[in-house]
Amino acid sequence: QKEVEQNSGPLSVPEGAIASLNCTYSDRGSQSFFWYRQYSGKSPELIMFIYSNGDKEDGRFTAQLNKASQYVSLLIRDSQPSDSATYLCAVNKHSGYALNFGKGTSLLVTP
Amino acid sequence: DAGVIQSPRHEVTEMGQEVTLRCKPISGHNSLFWYRQTMMRGLELLIYFNNNVPIDDSGMPEDRFSAKMPNASFSTLKIQPSEPRDSAVYFCASSLVGGGENEQFFGPGTRLTVL
Repeated sequence: QKEVEQNSGPLSVPEGAIASLNCTYSDRGSQSFFWYRQYSGKSPELIMFIYSNGDKEDGRFTAQLNKASQYVSLLIRDSQPSDSATYLCAVNKHSGYALNFGKGTSLLVTP
Repeated sequence: DAGVIQSPRHEVTEMGQEVTLRCKPISGHNSLFWYRQTMMRGLELLIYFNNNVPIDDSGMPEDRFSAKMPNASFSTLKIQPSEPRDSAVYFCASSLVGGGENEQFFGPGTRLTVL
């Protein structure tokens, strides 16, 4: 089992809709969870982090964490074509500071 | 803040040559991470330093790879000798860890092509 798993997509949503991106992880000792956005040919850009169970909202983005189910999700409300990118889920390793990344979910927002 | 700085941005070399990638972390950050990204394997951690000391190098593929951090503002990743399978984008990231926080910020990356 991979340490961080994501559906590779592509996930296609119409402009204005809610995009839901999901991630599961295997290390129960993980404490820190991150979502990065990566445009083609660019570096990963941090968009959200969450450390506690529940929801965390920042503008159009909501991160959701369920440690019992080892599940992290990212919701993007009012999706825009500029949100089209690959979204990477990252989880810290063994309660330390290094991160394991999923392979990313490709999101396409169509006008 | 200038962000994480990496050089060169692109490197094309021939098999067997030595390659040195450079990174300047964000000022004030105490941890530095080297990653490699390929289509097949995604983003993989190679090594990370905390306060200039290597903490986890379990991702370094083999002895051909070495990394140093001589001071808080500079790190190098060296590949000697390089092989075509080393072709990838290499990212450096830095963070200020401690106090429960661990957000990492990435540099623009170095695209390495080994012919």
